[in-house]
Amino acid sequence: DAKTTQPNSMESNEEEPVHLPCNHSTISGTDYIHWYRQLPSQGPEYVIHGLTSNVNNRMASLAIAEDRKSSTLILHRATLRDAAVYYCILGGFGNEKLTFGTGTRLTIIP
Amino acid sequence: SQTIHQWPATLVQPVGSPLSLECTVEGTSNPNLYWYRQAAGRGLQLLFYSVGIGQISSEVPQNLSASRPQDRQFILSSKKLLLSDSGFYLCAWSTRLLGQGFSTEAFFGQGTRLTVV
Repeated sequence: DAKTTQPNSMESNEEEPVHLPCNHSTISGTDYIHWYRQLPSQGPEYVIHGLTSNVNNRMASLAIAEDRKSSTLILHRATLRDAAVYYCILGGFGNEKLTFGTGTRLTIIP
Repeated sequence: SQTIHQWPATLVQPVGSPLSLECTVEGTSNPNLYWYRQAAGRGLQLLFYSVGIGQISSEVPQNLSASRPQDRQFILSSKKLLLSDSGFYLCAWSTRLLGQGFSTEAFFGQGTRLTVV
C-alpha cells in the first residue's frame, strides 16, 4: 500500500495561512489524495480530496504537485477551531482501505 | 441525508469479558464500512473493512472480529477482552461506486471509548 509522510506537528498564528505538507512518493495512478482532520475526542472529519488538479472547497484548498508525489493542504486563514490533527491518506480505485497515518497536530496560536 | 449511529458512547468492561459494538448507517445502500481503533495519543488504526454483506477484511491480527449481517450494519466483537483492547473505537462508511473499487470520502461515527479494567 502506498504510504504518506507528514510532519508530526506544526504551529501557526491565528488569522494567517497554514500550509500542511504531505509526501506520497509511491502513489499509484489511481489513488486519490484525501485529507481529514480530527478534533479532540471526535471522529475524523473529511476536508478535501483530489486526483491531479488543485481543488478548492469552503474548508480548504489542496495543491497537488505535478508529479503527484506530494501535496499541500492550505487553510487560508487559520482560526482557533482549526486546531486538530490533520491526516493525509490515499484511496481510490482498487484501494478502499483508507489507512490513516499518524497525521500532523496543528496548533493555532492566538 | 445519510447518518451513522454508533453505540454505546462509553464502555467499561473487565478483562476477559465479551464485547459487542454496533454501527448502523442510514440513508445509503451498499456502503463500504470500516472499524478503526485509536489508542490514547496515537493515530487511527484500521481494524476491519467491508465492501459488502458477509465480506470482511482484517487488517490487524488480534482477538477482535467483525461481522456484517446486513447491508448497513457492522458489528465489532470480542470473546475475551484484553487490557490492550482499551481505546477509542470508530466506525465509518463511504460510498462505493458499483462495479468499481473506488471509495469517496468517509464519514465517521462519534466513537465508543472502551476502557478495559
